[in-house]
Amino acid sequence: NAGVTQTPKFRILKIGQSMTLQCTQDMNHNYMYWYRQDPGMGLKLIYYSVGAGITDKGEVPNGYNVSRSTTEDFPLRLELAAPSQTSVYFCASTSPGFSTDTQYFGPGTRLTVL
Amino acid sequence: DQQVKQNSPSLSVQEGRISILNCDYTNSMFDYFLWYKKYPAEGPTFLISISSIKDKNEDGRFTVFLNKSAKHLSLHIVPSQPGDSAVYFCAAGSEKLTFGTGTRLTIIP
Repeated sequence: NAGVTQTPKFRILKIGQSMTLQCTQDMNHNYMYWYRQDPGMGLKLIYYSVGAGITDKGEVPNGYNVSRSTTEDFPLRLELAAPSQTSVYFCASTSPGFSTDTQYFGPGTRLTVL
Repeated sequence: DQQVKQNSPSLSVQEGRISILNCDYTNSMFDYFLWYKKYPAEGPTFLISISSIKDKNEDGRFTVFLNKSAKHLSLHIVPSQPGDSAVYFCAAGSEKLTFGTGTRLTIIP
């Protein structure tokens, strides 16, 4: 049981490049989330999904896209990377039922845009 | 607009003593509150939670108190141990979670 896995762990992008941050969970959780954490700040919700085929915007969705074709995977896409997207990105999932139930987090992806 | 605030960026406590971490919120619609612990280079891990119908929840050395009238919650850790040194985030929500900015707790041996 690996929990929530994220790849890559680190990435440096040039301005304007695109990339996909991968997130996979093996706990059969319906709810999945993407957060970003900037230095000295809390986690801010980018996008979330309550099940396969269903996604919705969080607090800071601009510049990102998501898809949820399976229960296990919830990739986050950056189309035109900007320096403001330099951050640590965390994916999380939670058990069926309460959406605010305990969220299980991946180890994070540290992204730098230069 | 910071709906969940942790006003102390850092806290140092002697080993064996009580650590008290505080959190304030502004949205009265929040009905579920959680504390997460985060070590460097790792994702946050769930610590303890409380629903708005309670005012206290205990789990071993960790106790969370909720004061709805003051829109305030606190996490008590007693006795504090060196392994408790980490960043602690409070979070609140109904359908989605809003996180505070975190408090870095350092336990001094």
